[in-house]
Amino acid sequence: KNEVEQSPQNLTAQEGEFITINCSYSVGISALHWLQQHPGGGIVSLFMLSSGKKKHGRLIATINIQEKHSSLHITASHPRDSAVYICAVTGTASKLTFGTGTRLQVTL
Amino acid sequence: DTAVSQTPKYLVTQMGNDKSIKCEQNLGHDTMYWYKQDSKKFLKIMFSYNNKELIINETVPNRFSPKSPDKAHLNLHINSLELGDSAVYFCASSFRPGTGNTEAFFGQGTRLTVV
Repeated sequence: KNEVEQSPQNLTAQEGEFITINCSYSVGISALHWLQQHPGGGIVSLFMLSSGKKKHGRLIATINIQEKHSSLHITASHPRDSAVYICAVTGTASKLTFGTGTRLQVTL
Repeated sequence: DTAVSQTPKYLVTQMGNDKSIKCEQNLGHDTMYWYKQDSKKFLKIMFSYNNKELIINETVPNRFSPKSPDKAHLNLHINSLELGDSAVYFCASSFRPGTGNTEAFFGQGTRLTVV
């Protein structure tokens, strides 16, 4: 079982919909990261959080340390949000452990 | 201006060859990483260096040898390339865990194809 689990694996939404991607982890962490990988392949860091909630534009990330769970929300989704969203955690060692990613497709 | 740059972006080579991928970061980070993304798009740590010292080596074959001449560079050399080495390799950098900010910045990836 992967230390970081994401759901759903694939998600199709219509433009304007509110989207939620979930991440659960089973190890102690110092931080949780949400990353975005576009079809071109590049990986961009969206959020790094260790508690509470962060917001950037239409993106919101929350984390519940006690439940070992995080969510990434996208409000008013747009086709340009189509990408793979990856949850990753920084544990005690100096490395990221990744979830398997959620492939999001937003259609017109 | 690129924060983490890796070259080349694409690399096609024959089995048995030796190749290198270079990575440089200008963010002042003290920790650099190599990750491998397989055909199923799953990312996995290969190596981590902190201030030029190897701190993580995740059961990677000996054919893979990272080299860190200074804390801004982490190169990956691969000997005797095999078909199974075909993947996208990402370099990344951050401040080391425990410093409070471990946000990772990634290079653009190197798509290695072994034929």
